[in-house]
Amino acid sequence: DQQVKQNSPSLSVQEGRISILNCDYTNSMFDYFLWYKKYPAEGPTFLISISSIKDKNEDGRFTVFLNKSAKHLSLHIVPSQPGDSAVYFCAAGVSGGSNYKLTFGKGTLLTVNP
Amino acid sequence: DSGVTQTPKHLITATGQRVTLRCSPRSGDLSVYWYQQSLDQGLQFLIQYYNGEERAKGNILERFSAQQFPDLHSELNLSSLELGDSALYFCASSVGRVNSPLHFGNGTRLTVT
Repeated sequence: DQQVKQNSPSLSVQEGRISILNCDYTNSMFDYFLWYKKYPAEGPTFLISISSIKDKNEDGRFTVFLNKSAKHLSLHIVPSQPGDSAVYFCAAGVSGGSNYKLTFGKGTLLTVNP
Repeated sequence: DSGVTQTPKHLITATGQRVTLRCSPRSGDLSVYWYQQSLDQGLQFLIQYYNGEERAKGNILERFSAQQFPDLHSELNLSSLELGDSALYFCASSVGRVNSPLHFGNGTRLTVT
């Protein structure tokens, strides 16, 4: 049972435009969400996170939006740059308790064309 | 550089064999996580240790085991290897506080032939 779903395996956008990556989750217990970026031959790198008490978190060109009623979050990258080309993973976790762990989606390959 | 070191980078072995993957967490991080990424799959959580103790278990096979040592480095042992065990194995570490992000190593690519 896949609790975190990224339904788009790939996305291609032009440099300077907005990239929107989407993620859906099914577990109502998730209350903390993160996005990771992964380049080939490297491990995932933490990008941005959001707690369920917020509906938006912004960090430079990256903004994450959370819609709890729809169990949906999205990552917006504005403006997109060729260096943003990577696989983006959505992850979710349950805060509280000592066994904090993250559940990841399968990832979306973003290609930003010059 | 995440500060998490994994060795070896690549490992090729035969079915039925046993291998050990090693992970050194970031300085100051007490929690270590192991994830498996197979072809076309996301990162599957295997197991978590915090300061030497097992804290959470995911989809880890009985043929697999792990431990975290007093110096906080961790080892993942995979035995009776099968072709389907071929995957990227990532180690991640965190300070262990709730909602602290995980920092990943570059992974060990295991190929079972």
